[in-house]
Amino acid sequence: GNSVTQMEGPVTLSEEAFLTINCTYTATGYPSLFWYVQYPGEGLQLLLKATKADDKGSNKGFEATYRKETTSFHLEKGSVQVSDSAVYFCALSRYGGATNKLIFGTGTLLAVQP
Amino acid sequence: EAEVAQSPRYKITEKSQAVAFWCDPISGHATLYWYRQILGQGPELLVQFQDESVVDDSQLPKDRFSAERLKGVDSTLKIQPAELGDSAMYLCASSSTGTGAYEQYFGPGTRLTVT
Repeated sequence: GNSVTQMEGPVTLSEEAFLTINCTYTATGYPSLFWYVQYPGEGLQLLLKATKADDKGSNKGFEATYRKETTSFHLEKGSVQVSDSAVYFCALSRYGGATNKLIFGTGTLLAVQP
Repeated sequence: EAEVAQSPRYKITEKSQAVAFWCDPISGHATLYWYRQILGQGPELLVQFQDESVVDDSQLPKDRFSAERLKGVDSTLKIQPAELGDSAMYLCASSSTGTGAYEQYFGPGTRLTVT
């Protein structure tokens, strides 16, 4: 079946450090891949997406590249800020047919210290 | 900017009571989703509507959960009777239909605590 595995947290970094959160997936066919962010007490916000192999999604300094050969979609940011502290979810979705539900990983808590 | 509205934001109920959550999607979005997020886990789909029709409710515990979207706009998710294990965040999302990746927009969620 379809599934997403992401690195466990918490990830604790100092401000301006480099961030990598690993995400790998298992899926039939060609899924679309997403990173969502959840700030405390809030719903999920789409951070970035990629819909086909070798696509790079980017937003607010975050980047992730759809790697079909390694079935990965790792999230990176060159210099994190305290305001980036949140839970990050990797997710996949396959389109076609009646349902296009998102399948999420378990989430990775990022804590950035000043 | 248009947003998905949910109410209430927080709900505390006793075991065996009935509880209901409401969701108003972004105007014009034909697809509506209800997800359940247990603390420390990722959200899982409970039910997906296309207009007023259910297209996926395979993970909805139908003995106690029900969902409706009568006019294809807003939606209600009901639990009766509530159990301790139902304590979770209930998230509503909506998306438009068309070609390409259908971005799902999430509401702020309803946090349910069953005592």
